[in-house]
Amino acid sequence: DTEVTQTPKHLVMGMTNKKSLKCEQHMGHRAMYWYKQKAKKPPELMFVYSYEKLSINESVPSRFSPECPNSSLLNLHLHALQPEDSALYLCASSQGGSGTEAFFGQGTRLTVV
Amino acid sequence: GEDVEQSLFLSVREGDSSVINCTYTDSSSTYLYWYKQEPGAGLQLLTYIFSNMDMKQDQRLTVLLNKKDKHLSLRIADTQTGDSAIYFCAETYSSNTGKLIFGQGTTLQVKP
Repeated sequence: DTEVTQTPKHLVMGMTNKKSLKCEQHMGHRAMYWYKQKAKKPPELMFVYSYEKLSINESVPSRFSPECPNSSLLNLHLHALQPEDSALYLCASSQGGSGTEAFFGQGTRLTVV
Repeated sequence: GEDVEQSLFLSVREGDSSVINCTYTDSSSTYLYWYKQEPGAGLQLLTYIFSNMDMKQDQRLTVLLNKKDKHLSLRIADTQTGDSAIYFCAETYSSNTGKLIFGQGTTLQVKP
């Protein structure tokens, strides 16, 4: 099983809303990632969690708040987003370190209105 | 620095071979990956190669790596319409973060 499950698949939210994106994997992977992908662009790394600890924050604005409740779950809490934050948000997981295969979820298509 | 480049578009006829090219700049890259993304979907890992390898073959896919020229290619034999997608090459480094640096993606169009 190489599945990474993301919910919801689509989300429309207003600029004053608070919402959360969820990601789950049961491959025993110790690293989990959030990427943001704008249309016709490659994914860009936002956060890396390694062994449930935040190891990389790529200077992401504080209106995005990641959380790793346990080794299988990764959340991304959203608050006071801007229309330019509309994108596909991808979660990935891997064993960790370079040379390990990263598996991606299907993504959450977020629209901020 | 971290930079991965790909050509943006490739069009082939069904049944032909497709070759998608990628160049990278950082000689400390350790692993190089190919991902496929269909419209509205996430990224599917196709294959990867370690930087001390020259070639890797997996069914219809052949990856060639020229480390001297920092050039990576993905050959798809007998290309099918279902292969139409965006193909991203990506690299990681010797650090332990697992961070992927992606190229801009090559859109492969397969004509019947």
